[in-house]
Amino acid sequence: SAVISQKPSRDICQRGTSLTIQCQVDSQVTMMFWYRQQPGQSLTLIATANQGSEATYESGFVIDKFPISRPNLTFSTLTVSNMSPEDSSIYLCSVSGNVFAGPDTQYFGPGTRLTVL
Amino acid sequence: SQQGEEDPQALSIQEGENATMNCSYKTSINNLQWYRQNSGRGLVHLILIRSNEREKHSGRLRVTLDTSKKSSSLLITASRAADTASYFCATGSGATNKLIFGTGTLLAVQP
Repeated sequence: SAVISQKPSRDICQRGTSLTIQCQVDSQVTMMFWYRQQPGQSLTLIATANQGSEATYESGFVIDKFPISRPNLTFSTLTVSNMSPEDSSIYLCSVSGNVFAGPDTQYFGPGTRLTVL
Repeated sequence: SQQGEEDPQALSIQEGENATMNCSYKTSINNLQWYRQNSGRGLVHLILIRSNEREKHSGRLRVTLDTSKKSSSLLITASRAADTASYFCATGSGATNKLIFGTGTLLAVQP
């Protein structure tokens, strides 16, 4: 499986500020995704990070609030902009299309726990 | 909501017993994947079953898939205290196989 790291692992931020979360994979992958898990809830897909082009956002999520970059096949960032307490969640990146697994198996990073005061 | 449903929401059993979790979904799928999450940490991938498969095994795990009923089940046999976690099903669909997650089952295995 792919080894995925996320930075930071957790952060406490003030409302109105922005935080950029990094996701690094130890091997090239085809697909990278970003998910949000609100307290006590399941995971919701924010967007698909496309290499070299704009991310594809799911309904309810917009680029101005969650800008995403994917400059190459092993790295992506998610920014949570102009934060409010409602943005307090765990943010997880996931990958698929690793050479060691089938094209569809999706592996997750350890997550970034964000608290907005 | 596009989210799948899982039942039960919570399950408490004794060590050595079997645990069964069920997942229902609404759309056509490429595959269905099961994950485990311990105390709000990262997700551990357990097993993937493709839409043309009916049953799959991995160690103490047995997964079934019934695409006519749009449902899946995860059976954990001979459970251990270390199996205590939240379990999620996720359906993969579309060209990118993006995942839609179920609501999750919280499993507690009592020693």
